[in-house]
Amino acid sequence: AQRVTQPEKLLSVFKGAPVELKCNYSYSGSPELFWYVQYSRQRLQLLLRHISRESIKGFTADLNKGETSFHLKKPFAQEEDSAMYYCALSGSARQLTFGSGTQLTVLP
Amino acid sequence: KAGVTQTPRYLIKTRGQQVTLSCSPISGHRSVSWYQQTPGQGLQFLFEYFSETQRNKGNFPGRFSGRQFSNSRSEMNVSTLELGDSALYLCASSPGRGKGIYEQFFGPGTRLTVL
Repeated sequence: AQRVTQPEKLLSVFKGAPVELKCNYSYSGSPELFWYVQYSRQRLQLLLRHISRESIKGFTADLNKGETSFHLKKPFAQEEDSAMYYCALSGSARQLTFGSGTQLTVLP
Repeated sequence: KAGVTQTPRYLIKTRGQQVTLSCSPISGHRSVSWYQQTPGQGLQFLFEYFSETQRNKGNFPGRFSGRQFSNSRSEMNVSTLELGDSALYLCASSPGRGKGIYEQFFGPGTRLTVL
């Protein structure tokens, strides 16, 4: 079975502060991990995937297989980063298992 | 490219009725996945279709079914509606070829309310 846990439902940080959204997963094989984001009144969209190893909008995420984590980080949060963030995992099947999401609010 | 479209956007039904939701994927995408989103259970995978065949299925009862047409458009049907079926139903499309999972592009969703 595969499971994704996002321990924080709500997270608030001040503009310019670092932000880290936590994601832990449970999967026996080699997973593909993703972060999806949903801005207010917009549809769910892919933010980044671990195999790309890229930085999108200043966000990065590193897959730590030892700790089974895929935390999303940004050194300096911006107000436009306020959104709902979902961590997702894909195992051997072509389906996404989502975490429960973290609502990030960046305060001015 | 036009994005994923879903119709209708809102739907109100009563218990025991059935409902059909429609999804048009991005042009050229052959895989369509359906998800149910509720406040209590979050986003849950329903099923995936590729080239008119169901390729994956989540843990939902048989009342939930789907199909895909030759133009990759997909429909999802829920029979004998229950109050607990009230949710946002999301459709996502991807190229779907080869191993692994490609980026999934989501539609705006259909908000189903069961009274």
